[in-house]
Amino acid sequence: DGGITQSPKYLFRKEGQNVTLSCEQNLNHDAMYWYRQDPGQGLRLIYYSQIVNDFQKGDIAEGYSVSREKKESFPLTVTSAQKNPTAFYLCASSIDPGQGLHQPQHFGDGTRLSIL
Amino acid sequence: KQEVTQIPAALSVPEGENLVLNCSFTDSAIYNLQWFRQDPGKGLTSLLLIQSSQREQTSGRLNASLDKSSGRSTLYIAASQPGDSATYLCAVRSGGTSYGKLTFGQGTILTVHP
Repeated sequence: DGGITQSPKYLFRKEGQNVTLSCEQNLNHDAMYWYRQDPGQGLRLIYYSQIVNDFQKGDIAEGYSVSREKKESFPLTVTSAQKNPTAFYLCASSIDPGQGLHQPQHFGDGTRLSIL
Repeated sequence: KQEVTQIPAALSVPEGENLVLNCSFTDSAIYNLQWFRQDPGKGLTSLLLIQSSQREQTSGRLNASLDKSSGRSTLYIAASQPGDSATYLCAVRSGGTSYGKLTFGQGTILTVHP
């Protein structure tokens, strides 16, 4: 089955620690996205990538970093500089919007990050 | 800056009722609007996508309408069932960008009780 796999489902971070969230897709999508979801708020864009080896900051990129070395993978690192990392993190992918603006985004099942 | 608001924040209805969820956005220069469903602890599932040139889209018991000029969309659910219980989010893809940035509303938590 084609889809997006996020791991782990739950993650705990200690003070001063960097943690990496995994996102893998087998939909052959060019574009991938990371969102953060907090209670009572909509999803907010952290980073996005339209093509391998290229990525751009979203609305709330501070304290986060990404890489896009392979088309299938878009890992997100939550660094110690992110002072309030507790949230639900969602990864999404889509056909390159440049090839058609009406391509829906497909989402993984998320990773819930908490602070120890 | 695009802002998306969903009303009500929560809704509880008995099984079998027809219901309407509302979504409003501040900048009418959009490419499309998308409705999603989110089950607890899960990701988002796309329900309907309405292009800016369209007025409505239908899928089974779901009907979504779009009035771009007034900045409003509604999601109509007919003959609601307990399995419809979830959070429903709307998102707009705004004009002026090429990467498909979506701006999300806060969501409406729907509970359908037997």
